[in-house]
Amino acid sequence: NAGVTQTPKFQVLKTGQSMTLQCAQDMNHNSMYWYRQDPGMGLRLIYYSASEGTTDKGEVPNGYNVSRLNKREFSLRLESAAPSQTSVYFCASSRSDSYNQPQHFGDGTRLSIL
Amino acid sequence: GNSVTQMEGPVTLSEEAFLTINCTYTATGYPSLFWYVQYPGEGLQLLLKATKADDKGSNKGFEATYRKETTSFHLEKGSVQVSDSAVYFCALPYSGAGSYQLTFGKGTKLSVIP
Repeated sequence: NAGVTQTPKFQVLKTGQSMTLQCAQDMNHNSMYWYRQDPGMGLRLIYYSASEGTTDKGEVPNGYNVSRLNKREFSLRLESAAPSQTSVYFCASSRSDSYNQPQHFGDGTRLSIL
Repeated sequence: GNSVTQMEGPVTLSEEAFLTINCTYTATGYPSLFWYVQYPGEGLQLLLKATKADDKGSNKGFEATYRKETTSFHLEKGSVQVSDSAVYFCALPYSGAGSYQLTFGKGTKLSVIP
């Protein structure tokens, strides 16, 4: 099983460039999430989508936009990249019907903004 | 709101040593509690979980007991191996708009030396 697939795995951008990080899950999960991971900060939630057609801001949404394209896919867009957005980005998915359900993570996108 | 405080590392142990990573939480009610593990270059994987007070989660030789009286969920392993070198995250869910999100501790990096 593929689980949660993220593309690309690595990316280097220049300040001001834009790009979209892709995420797809094959577990028929309703909820999907985008996190960023920075040294000493743990994981911080950027945006989430409780179900197809809905998106909500997390802890650190500024500078990002998201699209829940369908039940499987949830993309994260940086419109004008800044060095502060250098990070590792993780997508995750879960069933949304119970707090007992864990989240399943992709392997991450390592993004550097020069 | 719900929060998690996790012992910060890094932790360096010799092979076959005993491991404890402390995690305490603040929560409304009695949510599930999770431990995730992140191996180098990978995403987070669910290591174990406990869904109610006094539950013990276990997996791969790791154990954690959900202790309501001390609001703790410490991770333990009796004899660590080099392959256990990773970052460990404690997490608990909270209710958001239409789904459950996770709040994570900042992670504890474990290095096991032969």
